Amino acid sequence: DTEVTQTPKHLVMGMTNKKSLKCEQHMGHRAMYWYKQKAKKPPELMFVYSYEKLSINESVPSRFSPECPNSSLLNLHLHALQPEDSALYLCASSQVSSGANVLTFGAGSRLTVL
Amino acid sequence: DAKTTQPTSMDCAEGRAANLPCNHSTISGNEYVYWYRQIHSQGPQYIIHGLKNNETNEMASLIITEDRKSSTLILPHATLRDTAVYYCIVLSPPNSGYALNFGKGTSLLVTP
Repeated sequence: DTEVTQTPKHLVMGMTNKKSLKCEQHMGHRAMYWYKQKAKKPPELMFVYSYEKLSINESVPSRFSPECPNSSLLNLHLHALQPEDSALYLCASSQVSSGANVLTFGAGSRLTVL
Repeated sequence: DAKTTQPTSMDCAEGRAANLPCNHSTISGNEYVYWYRQIHSQGPQYIIHGLKNNETNEMASLIITEDRKSSTLILPHATLRDTAVYYCIVLSPPNSGYALNFGKGTSLLVTP
Protein backbone atom coordinates (compact mmCIF):
# COMPACT_ATOMS: atom_id res chain seq x y z
CA ASP A 1 0.00 0.00 0.00
CA THR A 2 1.61 3.25 -1.13
CA GLU A 3 -1.26 5.62 -0.50
CA VAL A 4 -2.42 8.18 1.98
CA THR A 5 -6.19 8.00 2.32
CA GLN A 6 -8.20 11.01 3.44
CA THR A 7 -11.86 11.03 4.43
CA PRO A 8 -14.23 12.60 3.78
CA LYS A 9 -13.41 13.99 0.33
CA HIS A 10 -15.89 16.80 0.84
CA LEU A 11 -17.31 18.30 4.03
CA VAL A 12 -19.77 21.12 4.54
CA MET A 13 -20.23 22.39 8.07
CA GLY A 14 -21.76 25.27 9.94
CA MET A 15 -19.78 27.54 12.22
CA THR A 16 -21.18 25.85 15.33
CA ASN A 17 -20.56 22.27 14.19
CA LYS A 18 -17.89 19.86 15.37
CA LYS A 19 -16.44 17.63 12.70
CA SER A 20 -13.26 15.68 12.04
CA LEU A 21 -11.04 14.96 9.08
CA LYS A 22 -9.30 11.61 8.97
CA CYS A 23 -6.05 10.49 7.38
CA GLU A 24 -4.66 6.97 7.18
CA GLN A 25 -1.50 5.39 5.82
CA HIS A 26 -0.07 1.87 5.97
CA MET A 27 3.41 2.52 4.64
CA GLY A 28 5.05 2.37 8.06
CA HIS A 29 5.73 6.10 7.98
CA ARG A 30 6.31 7.66 11.41
CA ALA A 31 5.88 11.32 10.43
CA MET A 32 2.51 12.75 9.47
CA TYR A 33 1.49 16.22 8.39
CA TRP A 34 -1.51 18.51 7.91
CA TYR A 35 -1.46 21.23 5.29
CA LYS A 36 -4.10 23.81 4.39
CA GLN A 37 -4.49 25.08 0.83
CA LYS A 38 -6.63 28.00 -0.25
CA ALA A 39 -7.63 28.40 -3.87
CA LYS A 40 -4.75 29.35 -6.21
CA LYS A 41 -2.27 29.38 -3.30
CA PRO A 42 0.46 26.91 -2.33
CA PRO A 43 -0.13 24.47 0.55
CA GLU A 44 0.62 25.89 3.99
CA LEU A 45 1.99 23.69 6.74
CA MET A 46 -0.20 23.41 9.84
CA PHE A 47 1.06 20.54 11.98
CA VAL A 48 3.74 17.86 11.99
CA TYR A 49 3.69 14.67 14.07
CA SER A 50 6.78 12.59 14.55
CA TYR A 51 6.49 9.22 16.29
CA GLU A 52 2.93 10.14 17.26
CA LYS A 53 4.05 13.30 19.05
CA LEU A 54 3.32 16.82 17.89
CA SER A 55 6.61 18.30 16.76
CA ILE A 56 5.50 21.38 14.82
CA ASN A 57 2.47 23.63 15.24
CA GLU A 58 2.63 26.57 12.85
CA SER A 59 0.67 28.88 15.15
CA VAL A 60 -2.61 27.35 14.06
CA PRO A 61 -5.77 28.63 15.84
CA SER A 62 -7.10 26.34 18.55
CA ARG A 63 -10.31 25.71 16.61
CA PHE A 64 -8.14 23.19 14.72
CA SER A 65 -7.11 20.33 16.99
CA PRO A 66 -4.86 17.57 15.63
CA GLU A 67 -4.66 14.08 17.02
CA CYS A 68 -2.42 11.14 16.20
CA PRO A 69 -3.92 8.09 17.96
CA ASN A 70 -1.45 5.63 16.43
CA SER A 71 1.27 5.47 13.81
CA SER A 72 -1.19 4.93 10.95
CA LEU A 73 -3.86 7.51 11.77
CA LEU A 74 -4.01 11.28 11.88
CA ASN A 75 -7.12 13.26 12.69
CA LEU A 76 -7.94 16.94 12.50
CA HIS A 77 -10.79 17.95 14.79
CA LEU A 78 -12.70 21.04 13.73
CA HIS A 79 -14.80 23.22 16.00
CA ALA A 80 -16.25 26.72 15.71
CA LEU A 81 -14.69 27.31 12.32
CA GLN A 82 -15.06 30.48 10.30
CA PRO A 83 -15.99 30.79 6.61
CA GLU A 84 -12.38 31.79 5.85
CA ASP A 85 -11.31 28.33 7.02
CA SER A 86 -12.88 26.90 3.88
CA ALA A 87 -10.02 25.24 2.01
CA LEU A 88 -8.50 21.98 0.82
CA TYR A 89 -6.91 20.15 3.75
CA LEU A 90 -4.06 17.89 2.78
CA CYS A 91 -2.53 15.10 4.81
CA ALA A 92 0.92 13.70 4.11
CA SER A 93 3.24 11.12 5.60
CA SER A 94 6.92 10.29 5.40
CA GLN A 95 9.59 8.14 6.88
CA VAL A 96 11.75 9.62 9.59
CA SER A 97 15.31 9.61 8.30
CA SER A 98 18.56 11.45 8.80
CA GLY A 99 18.81 12.21 5.11
CA ALA A 100 16.37 13.07 2.37
CA ASN A 101 12.73 13.09 3.30
CA VAL A 102 9.99 12.42 0.75
CA LEU A 103 6.38 13.18 1.58
CA THR A 104 3.45 11.20 0.20
CA PHE A 105 0.28 13.27 0.03
CA GLY A 106 -3.34 12.30 0.11
CA ALA A 107 -5.92 13.70 -2.31
CA GLY A 108 -7.26 16.10 0.29
CA SER A 109 -10.51 16.89 2.05
CA ARG A 110 -12.34 19.91 0.68
CA LEU A 111 -13.97 21.81 3.52
CA THR A 112 -16.68 24.41 3.16
CA VAL A 113 -17.73 26.39 6.24
CA LEU A 114 -21.09 28.13 5.97
CA ASP B 1 15.77 26.68 5.00
CA ALA B 2 16.94 28.39 1.82
CA LYS B 3 14.50 30.46 -0.20
CA THR B 4 13.76 29.52 -3.81
CA THR B 5 12.81 31.60 -6.84
CA GLN B 6 10.88 30.15 -9.77
CA PRO B 7 9.22 31.71 -12.82
CA THR B 8 5.50 32.20 -12.29
CA SER B 9 4.47 30.38 -15.45
CA MET B 10 5.86 28.55 -18.46
CA ASP B 11 4.49 26.98 -21.63
CA CYS B 12 5.72 23.86 -23.39
CA ALA B 13 4.60 22.08 -26.55
CA GLU B 14 3.51 18.49 -26.14
CA GLY B 15 6.35 16.08 -26.92
CA ARG B 16 9.05 18.64 -26.28
CA ALA B 17 11.29 18.82 -23.23
CA ALA B 18 10.10 21.07 -20.41
CA ASN B 19 12.95 22.73 -18.54
CA LEU B 20 11.87 24.31 -15.27
CA PRO B 21 14.48 26.48 -13.52
CA CYS B 22 14.85 27.17 -9.83
CA ASN B 23 17.19 29.59 -8.11
CA HIS B 24 18.33 28.78 -4.58
CA SER B 25 21.40 30.97 -4.16
CA THR B 26 21.39 30.78 -0.34
CA ILE B 27 21.40 26.99 -0.18
CA SER B 28 23.64 25.48 2.48
CA GLY B 29 25.76 22.38 2.26
CA ASN B 30 23.35 19.90 3.82
CA GLU B 31 20.18 21.10 2.10
CA TYR B 32 18.46 18.93 -0.47
CA VAL B 33 16.60 20.21 -3.51
CA TYR B 34 13.15 18.65 -3.91
CA TRP B 35 10.65 18.93 -6.72
CA TYR B 36 6.96 18.29 -6.31
CA ARG B 37 4.07 18.99 -8.61
CA GLN B 38 0.37 19.51 -8.07
CA ILE B 39 -2.14 18.76 -10.75
CA HIS B 40 -5.35 20.74 -10.38
CA SER B 41 -7.42 19.72 -7.34
CA GLN B 42 -5.10 16.83 -6.44
CA GLY B 43 -2.56 16.43 -3.65
CA PRO B 44 1.08 17.31 -4.40
CA GLN B 45 3.14 14.55 -5.98
CA TYR B 46 6.84 13.94 -5.35
CA ILE B 47 8.96 14.03 -8.50
CA ILE B 48 12.65 13.92 -7.64
CA HIS B 49 15.28 15.21 -5.22
CA GLY B 50 19.03 15.71 -5.13
CA LEU B 51 21.90 16.99 -3.01
CA LYS B 52 24.90 17.58 -5.25
CA ASN B 53 24.78 15.21 -8.20
CA ASN B 54 22.40 15.19 -11.11
CA GLU B 55 19.58 12.71 -10.70
CA THR B 56 17.23 10.88 -13.04
CA ASN B 57 14.19 8.73 -12.44
CA GLU B 58 11.26 7.54 -14.50
CA MET B 59 9.52 10.90 -14.25
CA ALA B 60 12.24 13.50 -14.71
CA SER B 61 15.86 14.58 -14.49
CA LEU B 62 17.30 17.05 -12.01
CA ILE B 63 20.32 19.07 -12.98
CA ILE B 64 22.05 20.91 -10.11
CA THR B 65 24.77 23.44 -10.92
CA GLU B 66 28.22 22.83 -9.50
CA ASP B 67 27.87 25.71 -7.02
CA ARG B 68 24.40 24.37 -6.10
CA LYS B 69 22.88 27.83 -6.41
CA SER B 70 20.38 26.76 -9.05
CA SER B 71 18.79 23.69 -10.53
CA THR B 72 16.65 22.65 -13.47
CA LEU B 73 13.92 20.06 -13.59
CA ILE B 74 13.66 18.42 -16.98
CA LEU B 75 10.57 16.57 -18.19
CA PRO B 76 12.02 14.99 -21.32
CA HIS B 77 8.84 14.50 -23.35
CA ALA B 78 6.06 16.61 -21.89
CA THR B 79 2.48 15.41 -22.22
CA LEU B 80 -0.80 17.20 -21.57
CA ARG B 81 -0.98 15.35 -18.23
CA ASP B 82 2.16 17.18 -17.11
CA THR B 83 0.21 20.44 -16.92
CA ALA B 84 0.53 21.32 -13.23
CA VAL B 85 2.13 23.65 -10.71
CA TYR B 86 5.74 22.62 -10.07
CA TYR B 87 7.33 23.42 -6.73
CA CYS B 88 11.05 23.59 -6.06
CA ILE B 89 11.79 23.27 -2.35
CA VAL B 90 15.07 23.35 -0.47
CA LEU B 91 15.16 21.60 2.87
CA SER B 92 17.74 20.45 5.35
CA PRO B 93 17.50 17.07 7.06
CA PRO B 94 15.38 16.34 10.09
CA ASN B 95 16.51 19.02 12.49
CA SER B 96 14.10 21.36 10.71
CA GLY B 97 11.20 19.10 11.48
CA TYR B 98 10.86 17.35 8.14
CA ALA B 99 8.48 20.00 6.99
CA LEU B 100 8.21 21.09 3.38
CA ASN B 101 7.27 24.73 3.01
CA PHE B 102 5.90 25.42 -0.45
CA GLY B 103 6.65 28.59 -2.39
CA LYS B 104 4.50 29.87 -5.23
CA GLY B 105 5.86 27.41 -7.80
CA THR B 106 5.79 27.48 -11.60
CA SER B 107 2.53 26.87 -13.41
CA LEU B 108 3.43 24.74 -16.44
CA LEU B 109 0.99 24.59 -19.34
CA VAL B 110 1.62 21.87 -21.90
CA THR B 111 -0.13 22.64 -25.16
CA PRO B 112 -1.06 20.32 -28.06
